[in-house]
Amino acid sequence: QKEVEQDPGPLSVPEGAIVSLNCTYSNSAFQYFMWYRQYSRKGPELLMYTYSSGNKEDGRFTAQVDKSSKYISLFIRDSQPSDSATYLCAMKIARGSTLGRLYFGRGTQLTVWP
Amino acid sequence: DTAVSQTPKYLVTQMGNDKSIKCEQNLGHDTMYWYKQDSKKFLKIMFSYNNKELIINETVPNRFSPKSPDKAHLNLHINSLELGDSAVYFCASSLSGTQSTDTQYFGPGTRLTVL
Repeated sequence: QKEVEQDPGPLSVPEGAIVSLNCTYSNSAFQYFMWYRQYSRKGPELLMYTYSSGNKEDGRFTAQVDKSSKYISLFIRDSQPSDSATYLCAMKIARGSTLGRLYFGRGTQLTVWP
Repeated sequence: DTAVSQTPKYLVTQMGNDKSIKCEQNLGHDTMYWYKQDSKKFLKIMFSYNNKELIINETVPNRFSPKSPDKAHLNLHINSLELGDSAVYFCASSLSGTQSTDTQYFGPGTRLTVL
């Protein structure tokens, strides 16, 4: 079992839809959670960063963390065709020799059609 | 200005050859990383260096050898290339690598195809 599980999709939604992307994890040492967006043939870019349970909002994006369930989500409101990309969740532990190392999910490919 | 740059962008080569990928960051970061992304988009860390010192060395064949001439550069040399080495290789950097709030910035990737 991989430490970070993410449904690869693909996910296809119409413009304006609310998108929900999810990851689950098994390692309770993970304390920091990120969402990266990767456009086709580009490098991943950080979208959201959070470390506490609850919600964090940034424009149309909301990151949600539930540490008790080991479950994180990314919501995209009013989705746009420009949101079409692969979304990768990533996590890291709080301390120890592997501090700084990111553990990635497999990525969910999202297409928003006009 | 490109923050993290990699060369070449595309690399097509024959099995058994030796090749290198170069990475440079102009962010003043102390830590640099190499990741491999397979055809299913799974991104996995290979190495990380902090101030030219090897910090993370995942279970990677010893045909892969990272070299950091200074903290702004981290190159990846691959000997005796195999078909399974075909992937996209990403370089990344972060300010320190040890702070919990560190963000990793990724380069554009090098698409390696081994024939």
